[in-house]
Amino acid sequence: EIVMTQSPATLSVSPGERATLSCRASQTISNNLVWYQQKRGQAPRLLIYGASTRATDIPARFSGSGSGTEFTLTISSLQSEDFALYYCQQFNSWPLTFGQGTKVEIK
Amino acid sequence: EVQLVESGGDLAQPGGSLRLSCEVSGFTFSIYAMTWVRQAPGKGLEWVSGISVGGGIKYYADSVKGRFTVSRDNSKNTLYLQMNSLRAEDTAVYYCARKHGAGDYNFYMDVWGKGTTVTVSS
Repeated sequence: EIVMTQSPATLSVSPGERATLSCRASQTISNNLVWYQQKRGQAPRLLIYGASTRATDIPARFSGSGSGTEFTLTISSLQSEDFALYYCQQFNSWPLTFGQGTKVEIK
Repeated sequence: EVQLVESGGDLAQPGGSLRLSCEVSGFTFSIYAMTWVRQAPGKGLEWVSGISVGGGIKYYADSVKGRFTVSRDNSKNTLYLQMNSLRAEDTAVYYCARKHGAGDYNFYMDVWGKGTTVTVSS
């Protein structure tokens, strides 16, 4: 099983600032990684697939990068609606596995 | 509008059974693979099961293998999860989700239901 490790667990950021979230895979997964956003009481929403491609209707302030074992989600200028939980997920091999999540909170 | 609506969540006793359903609309169900993902209270996301377009290939997390069975009825646009031998640690919100893109490869999810709550307790 591929273990996905996200850091930090919590990120405190002021509105308008940049947020950088990390996700590490325990073995190489090429670019078979996605990022989801989850707000309280809601289902996850797909943000980024293929490590760097924005999903439909996702604002350009969200960007993803990385390949192999190290991945980054960057939110260039945080808006109030961006304060949420973020999860990475690998789909390189079964079982599908998620990171434990990064909470982005208001500083 | 694309929609996935889960149902069947309930309070069950340890060792008991439940069947979850996920009725979909707004897209051609028969050409999409599907998954179940759960989230225990206050915890992260855990993938549970996946099923191929035709239903012939099924995948399970080790934590549910041998206890849960995923199936689909393409004529009814419905995905199912039969849950047997339930344990307290199965308590969670269960989401059904559509795999992005037609076909059975690259299993990540682009459309999610709102979830149904399963509580296992005596």
